[in-house]
Amino acid sequence: GQNIDQPTEMTATEGAIVQINCTYQTSGFNGLFWYQQHAGEAPTFLSYNVLDGLEEKGRFSSFLSRSKGYSYLLLKELQMKDSASYLCAVTDSNYQLIWGAGTKLIIKP
Amino acid sequence: GAVVSQHPSWVICKSGTSVKIECRSLDFQATTMFWYRQFPKQSLMLMATSNEGSKATYEQGVEKDKFLINHASLTLSTLTVTSAHPEDSSFYICSARDSGGRETEAFFGQGTRLTVV
Repeated sequence: GQNIDQPTEMTATEGAIVQINCTYQTSGFNGLFWYQQHAGEAPTFLSYNVLDGLEEKGRFSSFLSRSKGYSYLLLKELQMKDSASYLCAVTDSNYQLIWGAGTKLIIKP
Repeated sequence: GAVVSQHPSWVICKSGTSVKIECRSLDFQATTMFWYRQFPKQSLMLMATSNEGSKATYEQGVEKDKFLINHASLTLSTLTVTSAHPEDSSFYICSARDSGGRETEAFFGQGTRLTVV
């Protein structure tokens, strides 16, 4: 079966750095997405990785290792508004999006 | 970025009535749209894939006669929850991908919070 694993919840301090991991086992791979979802709102796109390596976009970076079936989202200089759920999603061989359960990130002052 | 508009944002209806939710891609064509349901503190659950001009593909366990999907054009898909019951109360979200690229991200509508009383 297809499976995506993320930690359920993480806590970090304002101004610090946090890394959210995602491991996946899917039938084929055509890219990995990270989305941010605030409570009661629709997810918003953060990043897309299809090749191995690190993609940096401002305070957020995303890393992919296809051989390990592993990705992480790195958030720097954390702000209170970064408190949200972070969803990892993988596109399989049929270009269907498979979603992880999401990681709830709690930022403390 | 591309915009997907979902309407209404929230709706309260009586048990036994039907509710229609619209999902429009405003500045791109979407051959395929997706309908998700999300219960509190849970992940997105794909309900069905809506294909323009053909029947929707439903995920296992989703009643196709209860959740009617119509994808009449390249920019509009509708989800109708028929004979709604309180257990259908949830957050319904649609998403669409630009037909021009299979590796593009999914753009989401704002979501519809349905409360059945």
